[in-house]
Amino acid sequence: QLQLQESGPGLVKPSETLSLTCTVSGGSISSSGYYWGWIRQPPGKGLEWIGSFYYSGSTYYNPSLKSRVTISVDTSKNQFSLKLSSVTAADTAVYYCARQQPGAHIVVVPAGDFDYWGQGTLVTVSS
Amino acid sequence: EIVMTQSPATLSVSPGERATLSCRASQSVSSNLAWYQQKPGQAPRLLIYGASTRATGIPARFSGSGSGTEFTLTISSLQSEDFAVYYCQQYNNWPPGVTFGPGTKVDIK
Repeated sequence: QLQLQESGPGLVKPSETLSLTCTVSGGSISSSGYYWGWIRQPPGKGLEWIGSFYYSGSTYYNPSLKSRVTISVDTSKNQFSLKLSSVTAADTAVYYCARQQPGAHIVVVPAGDFDYWGQGTLVTVSS
Repeated sequence: EIVMTQSPATLSVSPGERATLSCRASQSVSSNLAWYQQKPGQAPRLLIYGASTRATGIPARFSGSGSGTEFTLTISSLQSEDFAVYYCQQYNNWPPGVTFGPGTKVDIK
C-alpha cells in the first residue's frame, strides 16, 4: 500500500523559506508515468495546487506561486521536497503531498488526478 | 488559466436522498476532471476521475457525468458518512497544470 508522509517545521517566520519533505513508502517515486505533487489548503478554505514533477525532470508550477517555489526530488531516498521562499501569513496552510496518476496523453495531458495523499502538515507563518 | 466554479456552495440533504453537485470550467477540459471528498481533519479522497470513472473502492452510489465545461457528481442515496466537502479538479490544461473548484459542502438537512 502506497503511503506518503509530509515532514518539516510547523512554524516559519515571515520572509523566510518554508521547507517540507514528502517521504514515499510502498512504492517508488521513479514509477513510470506517475507525477508527484504538492497541494495546500489554508485553514477553512479550499485546495490550491502548488506544483507537480516527474522524476526524470519535468516540473510544473502554479503560475501564482512560480517565482517562489522549487520542487526537488531525491530518488535514492524516495523523497521529494518543497521550498517556498519569502513567506507571509497568506502561506499559512495545511500542505499535502500526493501522487498524480498518468494523464490521458503523455505530451498534452501528462498528469491527472491525485490518487494517494499524505495526511497533511500544518505550517504556520508567524513571528 | 482555467477557472473552476462549483454550485451550490452548500447543499442540505436528508439521509437517503439524492444529491446533485455541479462543477463548471471556464473553458473546455474534455473529460479531464476529477472529484474528491474531504472530511474535517482529513486529506481529500479521490472519488471520480476521467469525469465518470469511479476510483478503487468507491461505492456505486457515487457517479460522475459530463464533458467539456459542465460536470455533475451525483450521490444516489446519501449515507451519514457522505456528509463532507466535495471538490472538482481539472487537469486538461498543461502548462500550467491543475486547478481545483472552491468546493460544495454537503450537510445534513
